[in-house]
Amino acid sequence: GQQLNQSPQSMFIQEGEDVSMNCTSSSIFNTWLWYKQDPGEGPVLLIALYKAGELTSNGRLTAQFGITRKDSFLNISASIPSDVGIYFCAGQLWGSRLTFGEGTQLTVNP
Amino acid sequence: ETGVTQTPRHLVMGMTNKKSLKCEQHLGHNAMYWYKQSAKKPLELMFVYSLEERVENNSVPSRFSPECPNSSHLFLHLHTLQPEDSALYLCASRKHIGGLRSYEQYFGPGTRLTVT
Repeated sequence: GQQLNQSPQSMFIQEGEDVSMNCTSSSIFNTWLWYKQDPGEGPVLLIALYKAGELTSNGRLTAQFGITRKDSFLNISASIPSDVGIYFCAGQLWGSRLTFGEGTQLTVNP
Repeated sequence: ETGVTQTPRHLVMGMTNKKSLKCEQHLGHNAMYWYKQSAKKPLELMFVYSLEERVENNSVPSRFSPECPNSSHLFLHLHTLQPEDSALYLCASRKHIGGLRSYEQYFGPGTRLTVT
């Protein structure tokens, strides 16, 4: 089956710093989704990507669909304490199930 | 989006108990999912319902029994669970109509289940 490798597994940063995380797949996807999960809550959809090379922003968040269709990147600029949480990537090849990465745990120190 | 609700939010049950988890979506979606989330592991897909018909059962033990009476409601019936079944159980929904946005799944807040 398809596998997603998400890195890094965890990040500890200072408030105001920029953050980058990525996901790589063993096979191509048609769709990449990025979610954030706060403690005790379900994942919330942040950004959806549907085209290779696509770059999409949502406030301070920017995500890119890699041109090889096997990877995706999420950047957070000027981090703030409420950015704390687990960020998940998910990829899907149309007609197949959504495959999730293991998540990146982000900690922001004030 | 807060269009997917789950109850209860927390549940503690013994191995001989029978309980049910409930999910309700208010988004007009017609596909619903149950996922299991354990610590340090990716989300595990358990069941998929599309247009109220179960289309996927991902090798889940029979002690978990799903029910989808209509496109807005999804249940997960639990009986004789094991301690290793303790996890966060997440419900999700999407609009199964074709087109790009139909691949976006929206999650509920989850039920934190502890089996003692």
